[in-house]
Amino acid sequence: GQSLEQPSEVTAVEGAIVQINCTYQTSGFYGLSWYQQHDGGAPTFLSYNALDGLEETGRFSSFLSRSDSYGYLLLQELQMKDSASYFCAVSLNSGGYQKVTFGTGTKLQVIP
Amino acid sequence: SQTIHQWPATLVQPVGSPLSLECTVEGTSNPNLYWYRQAAGRGLQLLFYSVGIGQISSEVPQNLSASRPQDRQFILSSKKLLLSDSGFYLCAWSVAAWGPYEQYFGPGTRLTVT
Repeated sequence: GQSLEQPSEVTAVEGAIVQINCTYQTSGFYGLSWYQQHDGGAPTFLSYNALDGLEETGRFSSFLSRSDSYGYLLLQELQMKDSASYFCAVSLNSGGYQKVTFGTGTKLQVIP
Repeated sequence: SQTIHQWPATLVQPVGSPLSLECTVEGTSNPNLYWYRQAAGRGLQLLFYSVGIGQISSEVPQNLSASRPQDRQFILSSKKLLLSDSGFYLCAWSVAAWGPYEQYFGPGTRLTVT
């Protein structure tokens, strides 16, 4: 089967840096994605890693280590609007097609 | 540009009643389509995905079904709703190819079964 683990809640101070970890166990792994979801809204795509290393997009960076089945999302210069839930998701090779399985999410609270 | 629509936005239905949720995508062809359900404060559970017209894969055995009558239309149905069917239903699409795998989500339907 497949499993993803990420912390359920994280609290950080405005202006600080926070790292949200994700570990996974799966077969047919293709890549790791991160999504942001504000309360009551739909998830929006943040980043995708297929290869080991760091991908940077503005204040957000995402890291993947395929050998460790581990990744993280790094948020810098935190803003109040970053308070949201963050989901890691693995892309899997499923019978020749790519399928995505989401983790249970990390609720980030940014405090002044 | 691509757009994904879902309706209705909210729905309150009694136990045992039927359900039909619709999702349409504009601005792209031959997308992969997905139905997810999210319980309050929880993660996203993949219910169905489709790689083409009439091609549906079910992830979780339950009283729900899905159909894809047209390339950019995806429908989620139930003949008899259960209390446990309450949740936030999200439709999503992605490019039917390998590579950076970004899914685009619709605004969702919040279903309450009473």
